[in-house]
Amino acid sequence: DGGITQSPKYLFRKEGQNVTLSCEQNLNHDAMYWYRQDPGQGLRLIYYSQIVNDFQKGDIAEGYSVSREKKESFPLTVTSAQKNPTAFYLCASKPVANTEAFFGQGTRLTVV
Amino acid sequence: SQQGEEDPQALSIQEGENATMNCSYKTSINNLQWYRQNSGRGLVHLILIRSNEREKHSGRLRVTLDTSKKSSSLLITASRAADTASYFCATDARSQGNLIFGKGTKLSVKP
Repeated sequence: DGGITQSPKYLFRKEGQNVTLSCEQNLNHDAMYWYRQDPGQGLRLIYYSQIVNDFQKGDIAEGYSVSREKKESFPLTVTSAQKNPTAFYLCASKPVANTEAFFGQGTRLTVV
Repeated sequence: SQQGEEDPQALSIQEGENATMNCSYKTSINNLQWYRQNSGRGLVHLILIRSNEREKHSGRLRVTLDTSKKSSSLLITASRAADTASYFCATDARSQGNLIFGKGTKLSVKP
């Protein structure tokens, strides 16, 4: 079954901790994206990557970090520097320009 | 921010009516895409319109694009209760490789 998988579905973090959200795709897509969605809001771009070992900051990269060591994987680390991390995080991938994106089912992160 | 804007923010209609949502954006684009999101889920792609296209149809969906006004509209005809969801436009910007979403329109279709 081809697709894009995010894990875990729910994640709880204590203040001051770093946490890593997983995003894996077996669609052989070159580009991958991380978005943050707050309640009732749109998607804001955190980071994106068009090729292995390369990534760019989106609109709200502060307090987040990513890596792209493998084509199929694009993990997002929410660091303690992110002051308001509670949100719904969505990962997406797409093959090339002028194509649609495929989304994972999201990870809901809550700071406790 | 490069984020675009959809309007209205919320739309409530009766089953069988048509629903129209609008999207404005800021940059030059390769294409514009519309997505649907059911509450608490990932997004599902609906339709993609390229910058050299003006109108596109897919089933009950009709999308228009006006690059001179940097705007697009999504029309859902003969709506159903199952169309209840949030709808987002996204722009695939030239020379940047990113995919920027608007704030969405929350559509409620009442049976």
